[in-house]
Amino acid sequence: GENVEQHPSTLSVQEGDSAVIKCTYSDSASNYFPWYKQELGKGPQLIIDIRSNVGEKKDQRIAVTLNKTAKHFSLHITETQPEDSAVYFCAASSEEYGNKLVFGAGTILRVKS
Amino acid sequence: DVKVTQSSRYLVKRTGEKVFLECVQDMDHENMFWYRQDPGLGLRLIYFSYDVKMKEKGDIPEGYSVSREKKERFSLILESASTNQTSMYLCASSLGVNGQETQYFGPGTRLLVL
Repeated sequence: GENVEQHPSTLSVQEGDSAVIKCTYSDSASNYFPWYKQELGKGPQLIIDIRSNVGEKKDQRIAVTLNKTAKHFSLHITETQPEDSAVYFCAASSEEYGNKLVFGAGTILRVKS
Repeated sequence: DVKVTQSSRYLVKRTGEKVFLECVQDMDHENMFWYRQDPGLGLRLIYFSYDVKMKEKGDIPEGYSVSREKKERFSLILESASTNQTSMYLCASSLGVNGQETQYFGPGTRLLVL
């Protein structure tokens, strides 16, 4: 089955700097890669996703890149703000198992002001 | 806005007790999911349901069962709670049209089994 590895487990950046979180996956059939953000005391919430027919997707200060050959995808946050402090999870799924997401272990992002 | 609610935020139970965790969604979603969240392990799928009375095992179903009698409600049951089931439990739902869709999560239930 699919296995998703996420790095780093914790990331501390200064306000205004960029943050990058990387994930690798094992199943070459995976074609959907969402990122979820979990704030303290809340459930995870989708912030951006990418499908395998696209190499990059942007939404304001966040972007996701996908390298299908290397089987890795990354979340990029620019101009970080204190409200970006949260736990971020990457995930992967294939069409065959479309409803089933396999999540990475999570990254705790701290933005220092 | 999609709203997923879970019956309890915190729960303390004794070993061997039967535990019910309830989840309700208000957006007529077809799919519902139960995950457990543990530090360093991310979210792991316990069970999911794609229709009333239908269920499928996830990656870690052992020690759990589920019930979906109504479309909006999905229950997770621990038949005989054990200390290794101490965890955060998250419920989610998704529309159910094409499979790879946004999942909307509840706030979670933190369960402590003594």
